[in-house]
Amino acid sequence: DVKVTQSSRYLVKRTGEKVFLECVQDMDHENMFWYRQDPGLGLRLIYFSYDVKMKEKGDIPEGYSVSREKKERFSLILESASTNQTSMYLCASNIGQLLETQYFGPGTRLLVL
Amino acid sequence: AQSVAQPEDQVNVAEGNPLTVKCTYSVSGNPYLFWYVQYPNRGLQFLLKYITGDNLVKGSYGFEAEFNKSQTSFHLKKPSALVSDSALYFCAVRAYNFNKFYFGSGTKLNVKP
Repeated sequence: DVKVTQSSRYLVKRTGEKVFLECVQDMDHENMFWYRQDPGLGLRLIYFSYDVKMKEKGDIPEGYSVSREKKERFSLILESASTNQTSMYLCASNIGQLLETQYFGPGTRLLVL
Repeated sequence: AQSVAQPEDQVNVAEGNPLTVKCTYSVSGNPYLFWYVQYPNRGLQFLLKYITGDNLVKGSYGFEAEFNKSQTSFHLKKPSALVSDSALYFCAVRAYNFNKFYFGSGTKLNVKP
């Protein structure tokens, strides 16, 4: 089975802190994604990566950056956390073929005070 | 532009009754459609997908979905609901030439004993 893990289930940070969210997948998937999930808004794509060191902006990249130094690991970085970044963050991955579904991690619930 | 609409925030159904969770989509070109389920404090789990072929797609846990091209809909159905089906359901669409998924806002399904 595909396994996507996220470094933390719950995280509490203060405004202005730099925050790192880590995601690891064990199936050698080319593509990795970061979403945020907010009630009534569904999932919104922040960034995705289709290869090591490659990234593309999603629909809401402002205030975020990403890093993919190894194929299995995709990090989301909040350079200076703000209260409006309080959310559930979901990582996903899939193989490069167009028709494949995504596999999701359990999510990180981030609270910024 | 690609988009997905889930017109119902919540669906209530009695155990043993049939259930339907609605989804309509807008996409350029052929649509690739997915349903995911999310249990509390968990990531999303894949239920089923439509790529091509039969308009009725069968998936996990007894769920199925009907693709209707003329109505641009992809409704999720189950003949007999279980209390354990209570969860948040997301519809997603992917366009042929884009490695991005667009998610609906989610529908909370409540199945009462």
